[in-house]
Amino acid sequence: DVKVTQSSRYLVKRTGEKVFLECVQDMDHENMFWYRQDPGLGLRLIYFSYDVKMKEKGDIPEGYSVSREKKERFSLILESASTNQTSMYLCASSLAGPPYNEQFFGPGTRLTVL
Amino acid sequence: RKEVEQDPGPFNVPEGATVAFNCTYSNSASQSFFWYRQDCRKEPKLLMSVYSSGNEDGRFTAQLNRASQYISLLIRDSKLSDSATYLCVVSNSGGSNYKLTFGKGTLLTVNP
Repeated sequence: DVKVTQSSRYLVKRTGEKVFLECVQDMDHENMFWYRQDPGLGLRLIYFSYDVKMKEKGDIPEGYSVSREKKERFSLILESASTNQTSMYLCASSLAGPPYNEQFFGPGTRLTVL
Repeated sequence: RKEVEQDPGPFNVPEGATVAFNCTYSNSASQSFFWYRQDCRKEPKLLMSVYSSGNEDGRFTAQLNRASQYISLLIRDSKLSDSATYLCVVSNSGGSNYKLTFGKGTLLTVNP
């Protein structure tokens, strides 16, 4: 059974803290993605990676960075958390080849920044 | 025009009803099309891909009209378990960077 896991389901941090969100997939997928999901705004892509140590900005990368040192792990970093980064964060992975467009999502991390 | 636009909903229908969702996309170069389903407080999951010829999976039928840049999903004989948010999804990228653009979703509630 395919599996994407995220390090925390719920996280509460303070403004200015450095926050790490971890994502691990066991499907040997090349592509990995970080999204945030907010009411009324839907899913928005923050960053994605198509290979180890490779990354590309998505639609809303400001205030975030990522790290992919191993194929199975993709980390999202909030260098200095702010209240407007309170959101649900979803990690996903997909194959580089067909059926590459099926993305498998983790359960999400609900982050609250106080 | 937004990249992917869906019916705002919400849709409230009785069990057994037929319900249709519509979606439009702005990029005429879009390559692949999907419907994802997201249950309350859960992650999105692929429901079905959408092909130009139309495709059916049990009670679900998806249609694509490339000329009008329009995608639809029809659910027949609705079940309580169909209650979820339905996301219209479009893939625009080529190469190895397959990105998906998600619509904001349409909430469906099927009532007993």
